Amino acid sequence: QSALTQEASVSGTVGQKVTLSCTGDRNNIGRYGVGWYQQTSHGAPKTVMFGNSLPPGIPERFSASKSGTTSSLTISGLQPEDEADYYCSTWDYSLNVQVFGGGTKLTVL
Amino acid sequence: DVQMVESGGGLVQTGGSLRLSCAASGFTFTGYWMTWVRQPPGKGLEWVASTDEVGSETHHVDSVRGRFTISRDNTKNSLFLQMTSLRVEDTAIYYCARGKAVIDCWGQGTPVTVSS
Repeated sequence: QSALTQEASVSGTVGQKVTLSCTGDRNNIGRYGVGWYQQTSHGAPKTVMFGNSLPPGIPERFSASKSGTTSSLTISGLQPEDEADYYCSTWDYSLNVQVFGGGTKLTVL
Repeated sequence: DVQMVESGGGLVQTGGSLRLSCAASGFTFTGYWMTWVRQPPGKGLEWVASTDEVGSETHHVDSVRGRFTISRDNTKNSLFLQMTSLRVEDTAIYYCARGKAVIDCWGQGTPVTVSS
């Protein structure tokens, strides 16, 4: 069981806005910034958000927010190429480990 | 451009050893924590180990503690993972990653297969 909880699957149509969530506790998400990672067809992961920052080259339709112990990744204007697995991760202060969510499979219908 | 290239993966029998390397370029290596993350076949991402900017503070996941050791050579902009007493369940693609808490850059990965 992962320390961070993500939906197993989410789907949306092209152009739709979708939100993926990542829930932890006060020792991880409640304390540190969260990274969101996209992985397509089992290639290497790619960072799409780190904290509230968008890495160079990532489309502006990606955004992230945090409220308490939950982080959310929003894709506004879903595109076919956004279909992928998405993982969230951060550090856990009490365990002194990096924790990952189990991943969300995003399907673009 | 920021680049991290892993090497050293391969096929090894249970109980064997491997040393993974990650050659970093395009950024100030000494300014970052560095991390190893692995992905078993068909499964999600799993954190393995992290080290601070100078290699004095390290952390390992419980399942590898005492068998794997993360280290770095800042004179060569390189990160390492020494893996001993390998088990079948260590089979995975191993990724080198930049950062702690928030990872902002990943290598392409190197595959490790442990056979019985």
